[in-house]
Amino acid sequence: AQKITQTQPGMFVQEKEAVTLDCTYDTSDPSYGLFWYKQPSSGEMIFLIYQGSYDQQNATEGRYSLNFQKARKSANLVISASQLGDSAMYFCAMREANAGGTSYGKLTFGQGTILTVHP
Amino acid sequence: DAMVIQNPRYQVTQFGKPVTLSCSQTLNHNVMYWYQQKSSQAPKLLFHYYDKDFNNEADTPDNFQSRRPNTSFCFLDIRSPGLGDAAMYLCATSTGHLYEQYFGPGTRLTVT
Repeated sequence: AQKITQTQPGMFVQEKEAVTLDCTYDTSDPSYGLFWYKQPSSGEMIFLIYQGSYDQQNATEGRYSLNFQKARKSANLVISASQLGDSAMYFCAMREANAGGTSYGKLTFGQGTILTVHP
Repeated sequence: DAMVIQNPRYQVTQFGKPVTLSCSQTLNHNVMYWYQQKSSQAPKLLFHYYDKDFNNEADTPDNFQSRRPNTSFCFLDIRSPGLGDAAMYLCATSTGHLYEQYFGPGTRLTVT
């Protein structure tokens, strides 16, 4: 079974509008972390935002917020006031605290969503 | 600025000719990771070091090796590159368990 699912291969948004990128996850580990990364066409992976499984509040970082719904196992990224520079691939990822052995520290990535911001 | 540096950014090698990619960090992080990312796919973890402890993913081919001579540097050696090894190779670091990973800009490897 997929541990991280991003169901939107591509999304389009008008500049200055808000957009939500979907991410659902699957784990039986009570302690885990959820991450969003942005990957522009240049290739580097840029860390955007982090949500811990025990965090009571949704994470926010500037224009980025994470809509964390634990019971539904979803961790959607919301980008407010989209900018042309937001056009990129976006990856949702999860790290499980109790993944032992060689899985220690392992991030599991979703397949990504390509976001295109139109002027 | 503290950062993760990868050299070179673009590497072209011939089929079967050994190649080494390098990664250095000024973040003083304990953990260093190597990922392979093929076109339009998610990054795939190859292996990682926690300090000097090496952890290989079960499905990482034997063709891929790594060295970490000190905290700051980590190398990816591909002993006999095949056409299927053409990819972006990403290095990342973190302070440890459950913390965010900081990625370098990647090295795009072409195999001719």
